[in-house]
Amino acid sequence: TQLLEQSPQFLSIQEGENLTVYCNSSSVFSSLQWYRQEPGEGPVLLVTVVTGGEVKKLKRLTFQFGDARKDSSLHITAAQPGDTGLYLCAARKTGTASKLTFGTGTRLQVTL
Amino acid sequence: EAQVTQNPRYLITVTGKKLTVTCSQNMNHEYMSWYRQDPGLGLRQIYYSMNVEVTDKGDVPEGYKVSRKEKRNFPLILESPSPNQTSLYFCASSLLAGVNYGYTFGSGTRLTVV
Repeated sequence: TQLLEQSPQFLSIQEGENLTVYCNSSSVFSSLQWYRQEPGEGPVLLVTVVTGGEVKKLKRLTFQFGDARKDSSLHITAAQPGDTGLYLCAARKTGTASKLTFGTGTRLQVTL
Repeated sequence: EAQVTQNPRYLITVTGKKLTVTCSQNMNHEYMSWYRQDPGLGLRQIYYSMNVEVTDKGDVPEGYKVSRKEKRNFPLILESPSPNQTSLYFCASSLLAGVNYGYTFGSGTRLTVV
């Protein structure tokens, strides 16, 4: 059983569309991070959220941590081809700061 | 440039032939970790190190060894590789192992064991 479930697994959209990807769990987390991974490279950190209900914005990307700290969402406004990649959520369970567990990812393709 | 450097990027080897994948970071990070990435399974932690001479098992440690003799280096050792260790491997580091700290990843090592 995967600790972190991401949905959808795959998403193909056209430039200019909006999209939301989700990261869900039955566990409570002390923090949650989102990464983006491009082909042939390692994941790159986008954001860290720590407080339940927290919302962070990074240009056209909006990240939200659920009130109960069990889930998170990533919303992209007006997607661009440069947003193409694998989006990974990763979380630390309360009391296990040394262990960062990753979801299986959402693969996003944005076409012209 | 702050980075995590892994070598080699690609490696094809035969079953049973010992190999080492090197990892070095230039950011004075205390925490380092190894992950493997497989289709449908995501990134799974192999081993991690909280500091020099302090290492511990992750979720999938069988068949792997690590050492942390210096702060900057964290090599991954496969004493007797098997085909089920064919995977994409990533080394990562962070300043500390706290909730607010994100990982910096290397570019990966694609290993094939035949």
